[in-house]
Amino acid sequence: DADVTQTPRNRITKTGKRIMLECSQTKGHDRMYWYRQDPGLGLRLIYYSFDVKDINKGEISDGYSVSRQAQAKFSLSLESAIPNQTALYFCATSDPPRTGGTDTQYFGPGTRLTVL
Amino acid sequence: AQKITQTQPGMFVQEKEAVTLDCTYDTSDQSYGLFWYKQPSSGEMIFLIYQGSYDEQNATEGRYSLNFQKARKSANLVISASQLGDSAMYFCAMTPWMDSSYKLIFGSGTRLLVRP
Repeated sequence: DADVTQTPRNRITKTGKRIMLECSQTKGHDRMYWYRQDPGLGLRLIYYSFDVKDINKGEISDGYSVSRQAQAKFSLSLESAIPNQTALYFCATSDPPRTGGTDTQYFGPGTRLTVL
Repeated sequence: AQKITQTQPGMFVQEKEAVTLDCTYDTSDQSYGLFWYKQPSSGEMIFLIYQGSYDEQNATEGRYSLNFQKARKSANLVISASQLGDSAMYFCAMTPWMDSSYKLIFGSGTRLLVRP
């Protein structure tokens, strides 16, 4: 089984609709991230969370909200979807860097979202 | 400003040959991590290799090695004995450890095509 799962894998929705993307992980990591990828570009950070009570905005948080329901679950919501939110969305997890640690981020398979 | 530059939008390599994907980075931080990820056409982001800024030896992971030249701020990925399955997008990324988010800053990627 995959360590980081995302649902749904694909979603088509209409402008103005509310949509939730879910992420679950079995790696036991404390840190979770949401990124989006636009065609031909690298990933950009939307939100991140270092534990259940910690939520932080990333560089492109406008139009998005998140919920950390448990250590293993981190959801991303689009309250009122718009076409320029059409993108590939990734969830990632990592462990805090320890002495000599790497804080490598491991990604879920992605959710391809299309907003019409 | 923190930035990753990948100057090769696309590259070809013959199967079984070695290939080098270029990556330069810009940061004023002394402590950072450098990563390479592979993104096949299916879309997932696969972690390949990590190099810490204080690591004196170049990282290696199987057929992947990272040619780290700190003074030149470069972190090139070398893939030895290319295989058809290596055809994918490759992203160089950096985590400046002074950034409290520990977010990954991505380059724009290099598309590698392995010819049989």
